[in-house]
Amino acid sequence: DTEVTQTPKHLVMGMTNKKSLKCEQHMGHRAMYWYKQKAKKPPELMFVYSYEKLSINESVPSRFSPECPNSSLLNLHLHALQPEDSALYLCASSQVGTETEAFFGQGTRLTVV
Amino acid sequence: GEDVEQSPFLSVREGDSSVINCTYTDSSSTYLYWYKQEPGAGLQLLTYIFSNMDMKQDQRLTVLLNKKDKHLSLRIADTQTGDSAIYFCAESNNDYKLSFGAGTTVTVRA
Repeated sequence: DTEVTQTPKHLVMGMTNKKSLKCEQHMGHRAMYWYKQKAKKPPELMFVYSYEKLSINESVPSRFSPECPNSSLLNLHLHALQPEDSALYLCASSQVGTETEAFFGQGTRLTVV
Repeated sequence: GEDVEQSPFLSVREGDSSVINCTYTDSSSTYLYWYKQEPGAGLQLLTYIFSNMDMKQDQRLTVLLNKKDKHLSLRIADTQTGDSAIYFCAESNNDYKLSFGAGTTVTVRA
């Protein structure tokens, strides 16, 4: 199994809503990532978890709250988002250590209205 | 990313070879990657090369690395319509951070 599965595929939410994005992998990877990608731009790193602990936060606003409940799951909790937060949110996973080959999920297309 | 540069567009005829070029600035880069992204989809890792290698071949894909010039290329042989996509070059140096180029949109014409 070399898949990273993200749910939902599409999400529309209002600026006062609270929602969560989910990501799951069963490759035994102990590093998991959230990226944000705007249209026609490269992905931008948001968060990195290593061994279920947050190791990198790229100065992401607190309205985005990541959570890694176990080694297979990664969540991104969303609250009070702005329309400019609309983007494709990509989850990725990789081995920890010298091999940083990252596998990406298909993404969640988020629209904030 | 400003540290990784790619040409924005490439148009190629079906059956011809495509060559996508990338330059990077970080001399401590350990791994260099090529990702493919089709419309509305996530990123698919195509291939990667370790910095102490010059070339890697995998079926229709050939990666060439010139470490002195910090230049990476991806050659796709016998390009097909299914190869139309955005191709991202990326580099990392074992700090979990992938630095992506802005992507090259490849259009395959009949």
